[in-house]
Amino acid sequence: DGGITQSPKYLFRKEGQNVTLSCEQNLNHDAMYWYRQDPGQGLRLIYYSQIVNDFQKGDIAEGYSVSREKKESFPLTVTSAQKNPTAFYLCASSIGTSGSDEQYFGPGTRLTVT
Amino acid sequence: GQNIDQPTEMTATEGAIVQINCTYQTSGFNGLFWYQQHAGEAPTFLSYNVLDGLEEKGRFSSFLSRSKGYSYLLLKELQMKDSASYLCAGMDSNYQLIWGAGTKLIIKP
Repeated sequence: DGGITQSPKYLFRKEGQNVTLSCEQNLNHDAMYWYRQDPGQGLRLIYYSQIVNDFQKGDIAEGYSVSREKKESFPLTVTSAQKNPTAFYLCASSIGTSGSDEQYFGPGTRLTVT
Repeated sequence: GQNIDQPTEMTATEGAIVQINCTYQTSGFNGLFWYQQHAGEAPTFLSYNVLDGLEEKGRFSSFLSRSKGYSYLLLKELQMKDSASYLCAGMDSNYQLIWGAGTKLIIKP
């Protein structure tokens, strides 16, 4: 079955620690995305990648980093520089980035930093 | 600036019809998406409109008016499983999605 996996579903970290969220897809999609979802707000784009070894900052990239060494994988690192990291993180992918290319989402990782 | 507005919450009765409205302002326009999201889960794609008019898919229909910057999602024959948040997203000239905060739909028996 094709799809997107994110792990873990729940993650707890202490302040000051970096943490990496996993995202893997076997849909053979070129484009991948990371969003953050907070209560009462729309999804906000952190980073996106249209092709292997290339990625661009989204609206709220500060305090985050990504890599795209393989087509299937797009891990997100939440660094200690991110001031408010507790949130629900969603990874998505699409065939391409033209208008009608719908995004497919993974199940999400809920990160809690204390 | 870019903005998507939709109601925060709506309540409807099982078996009835509900219309969820969305107004959008984007820099350029490459289409309007609707997604469904159950609590704590991933959003799933419902519809895409880029031309004016109504697109029907079973119990769900989506309408777009580009001149008014307006869309709606129409859900017919409501079922309890339709209780979820419905997310409206406009695609701008850079093919980036601008997301609304979502409309939480509560279905009562």
